[in-house]
Amino acid sequence: DAEITQSPRHKITETGRQVTLACHQTWNHNNMFWYRQDLGHGLRLIHYSYGVQDTNKGEVSDGYSVSRSNTEDLPLTLESAASSQTSVYFCASSESRLAGRYEQYFGPGTRLTVT
Amino acid sequence: RKEVEQDPGPFNVPEGATVAFNCTYSNSASQSFFWYRQDCRKEPKLLMSVYSSGNEDGRFTAQLNRASQYISLLIRDSKLSDSATYLCVVPPSGSARQLTFGSGTQLTVLP
Repeated sequence: DAEITQSPRHKITETGRQVTLACHQTWNHNNMFWYRQDLGHGLRLIHYSYGVQDTNKGEVSDGYSVSRSNTEDLPLTLESAASSQTSVYFCASSESRLAGRYEQYFGPGTRLTVT
Repeated sequence: RKEVEQDPGPFNVPEGATVAFNCTYSNSASQSFFWYRQDCRKEPKLLMSVYSSGNEDGRFTAQLNRASQYISLLIRDSKLSDSATYLCVVPPSGSARQLTFGSGTQLTVLP
């Protein structure tokens, strides 16, 4: 079955280290998204991509980067991890054959702790 | 005005009750609306999509009021397994492919 996976599921890292979170989907969706979720803030968009070689900043992109070299993967990199980046990170993807119908499907999440 | 606003609750209802959540949105041009369900510490899962005036799926009914810019989710005959946070989701102004998520309404169904 097609799916969207994230790895690792849990990660503890130290301040200042570079960290990469993986996201892989097998639906062949063009659109992929990274969110973070913190108590009191709901889901906030970090970066998104509408296709290979396309990347865009979301509302909370500072300190994060993404790259899209193929349809299936959108890795999220924290350039220099900070304690404020301790959060749960969700990857999502969407596709639509009909304009305006862009339901997103989520991966299981990565719980990141920066110490 | 926020893109999406929801009553955070919590809503505590007995099993078998009917409960309704409302959500207001600011993008009057939105053509699609969604309700997602999120269980504690897990990923959001699509519950219902709304493209016209409403949608019904078993015990769940979503209704859209474009004039007042709100959508509602009605859950009939609540089950213990319905306990979760319900997220109202709409596209933001200027982008159909992105989605803006409400902060969620917490529901607990009591035995």
